[in-house]
Amino acid sequence: LAKTTQPISMDSYEGQEVNITCSHNNIATNDYITWYQQFPSQGPRFIIQGYKTKVTNEVASLFIPADRKSSTLSLPRVSLSDTAVYYCLVGANTDKLIFGTGTRLQVFP
Amino acid sequence: NAGVMQNPRHLVRRRGQEARLRCSPMKGHSHVYWYRQLPEEGLKFMVYLQKENIIDESGMPKERFSAEFPKEGPSILRIQQVVRGDSAAYFCASSPSRDGYEQYFGPGTRLTVT
Repeated sequence: LAKTTQPISMDSYEGQEVNITCSHNNIATNDYITWYQQFPSQGPRFIIQGYKTKVTNEVASLFIPADRKSSTLSLPRVSLSDTAVYYCLVGANTDKLIFGTGTRLQVFP
Repeated sequence: NAGVMQNPRHLVRRRGQEARLRCSPMKGHSHVYWYRQLPEEGLKFMVYLQKENIIDESGMPKERFSAEFPKEGPSILRIQQVVRGDSAAYFCASSPSRDGYEQYFGPGTRLTVT
């Protein structure tokens, strides 16, 4: 399973766009990139998944360059309620999720 | 459609006692996963079960921990003779199939060993 590296923490203000980048240099051909969000005292919640190029849903966008060695989660116009820990996971669609320490996003008013 | 349910939400046990954590998956989900999270850390996979079968227990400590997912009823994570190091949040997740990376997590059980 590919190891991921992401910033420990990020700060932003309400209304700004937040981009969280994840490095995964040894990603395998059959690996997908998935992002989860976790609020304090809650279980993680699936945000988005992609394999290459760009994926967008109602919550976020995921940008993956051609070499797939990194990916960027983009949160448009964040609000206070987006304050959470964001986890980047890389692996084949298998059974167990491998979580790193994540990026702690703090949104200020 | 109710989400993944876990109970109790908080559990306090003295060293040496047993802890039983319950997880009811989402309706229609037959795949259950247990994870443990220590403070300020990411979740660590423990075990993956389908109805009546343990599929992958590579993350389970060899001693004192066991899990089951009976044909009827919730999945149970059992910790015997708890120690202070077992204090953590235990999350259960479920999914409708084996493929795919989207798992639905419950609110967790916070175990405190005194």
